[in-house]
Amino acid sequence: NAGVTQTPKFQVLKTGQSMTLQCAQDMNHEYMSWYRQDPGMGLRLIHYSVGAGITDQGEVPNGYNVSRSTTEDFPLRLLSAAPSQTSVYFCASSNGRLRTEAFFGQGTRLTVV
Amino acid sequence: GQQVMQIPQYQHVQEGEDFTTYCNSSTTLSNIQWYKQRPGGHPVFLIHLVKSGEVKKQKRLTFQFGEAKKNSSLHITATQTTDVGTYFCAGMAGNNRKLIWGLGTSLGVNP
Repeated sequence: NAGVTQTPKFQVLKTGQSMTLQCAQDMNHEYMSWYRQDPGMGLRLIHYSVGAGITDQGEVPNGYNVSRSTTEDFPLRLLSAAPSQTSVYFCASSNGRLRTEAFFGQGTRLTVV
Repeated sequence: GQQVMQIPQYQHVQEGEDFTTYCNSSTTLSNIQWYKQRPGGHPVFLIHLVKSGEVKKQKRLTFQFGEAKKNSSLHITATQTTDVGTYFCAGMAGNNRKLIWGLGTSLGVNP
């Protein structure tokens, strides 16, 4: 059981480049989300999805797009990378009921130069 | 907006000492969850609390949910070096499934 798989684990981008962070879960979870983690800032929600075809913005959505064409996959797209997007990104999923745990991927460490 | 404050931000203890981290919410929570993140790792679920005044124990870890469902604590008895990491609380308010995260408490343990 793979759980939540994120790729890549590490990435260096130049300012202005675009890229997609991949996230896949094999637990048939309805709810998926993307966070970024910066020192002293905790986990900040970028975008989330409550099911296939449904996405919504979190607290820091600017500069990022998401889509949810299947239950399993929830990619995060950086449109035009900026140094301020240097961070560690985590994808998480849960089964959609209120009182259940979030399963996190291993994270993607992104550096924008 | 809804906020969850977590204190302290950092704490270093000698191995064998106790440790407590506290979370306080600006609004009533339907439930609260606790996660541990080891250095370089990802958050891992520890427990969730639902009922007012609930207390749960996992070996040396004791979790409490306040009577008003606005605060929670995690207490570790006799810390070990394996307890090193950042502990996060995350609450849900009402029927909103979004988790409201505290900023975490980073625990260091000196052997």
